[in-house]
Amino acid sequence: ELKVEQNPLFLSMQEGKNYTIYCNYSTTSDRLYWYRQDPGKSLESLFVLLSNGAVKQEGRLMASLDTKARLSTLHITAAVHDLSATYFCAVDIRKTGNQFYFGTGTSLTVIP
Amino acid sequence: DGGITQSPKYLFRKEGQNVTLSCEQNLNHDAMYWYRQDPGQGLRLIYYSQIVNDFQKGDIAEGYSVSREKKESFPLTVTSAQKNPTAFYLCASSIHRAGEQFFGPGTRLTVL
Repeated sequence: ELKVEQNPLFLSMQEGKNYTIYCNYSTTSDRLYWYRQDPGKSLESLFVLLSNGAVKQEGRLMASLDTKARLSTLHITAAVHDLSATYFCAVDIRKTGNQFYFGTGTSLTVIP
Repeated sequence: DGGITQSPKYLFRKEGQNVTLSCEQNLNHDAMYWYRQDPGQGLRLIYYSQIVNDFQKGDIAEGYSVSREKKESFPLTVTSAQKNPTAFYLCASSIHRAGEQFFGPGTRLTVL
């Protein structure tokens, strides 16, 4: 059974600080997605990582993918309150037909 | 504007009733998906469809049924056999079976 583990599950950080969220998965995949979810809302696509070594950046967020280590990271630089949300990684497993396996999510709270 | 719509936004069901959640997309996407999200948890796949008139069970299909008679529509019926249906239901679509998934706004179902 495929496992997608995120850590930490909960993250409280001060504005201006840096931190990294980790997404580990247990089977071969070269496609990984990051989503953001605000409370009570749907998922918003953040990053699409389609190959080993892929790095994408948008504003204060940067995502990377290491397919050999089966690891993706979401790095937050100089956090601001607006980044408070839950972040999910999703691993794309095309062979099984069940396309996406979601991580458990990381609930981020940025404190002024 | 292209997008995915879900209705209703909130739905209340009495025990023993079947209810149907609507999902429509005008993105011309081939694949559509239904997920369930419980509080503080990630998404779990209920059903998915890669083409019209075809659909497959996901990880938690028991107590649910779907149809895919049109490319644009993928309704989900929550039957009385679903023991604990209270949850947030998200519909998604992708251009093809291996593409990025885009999510609708969700339906929050509560069993009274």
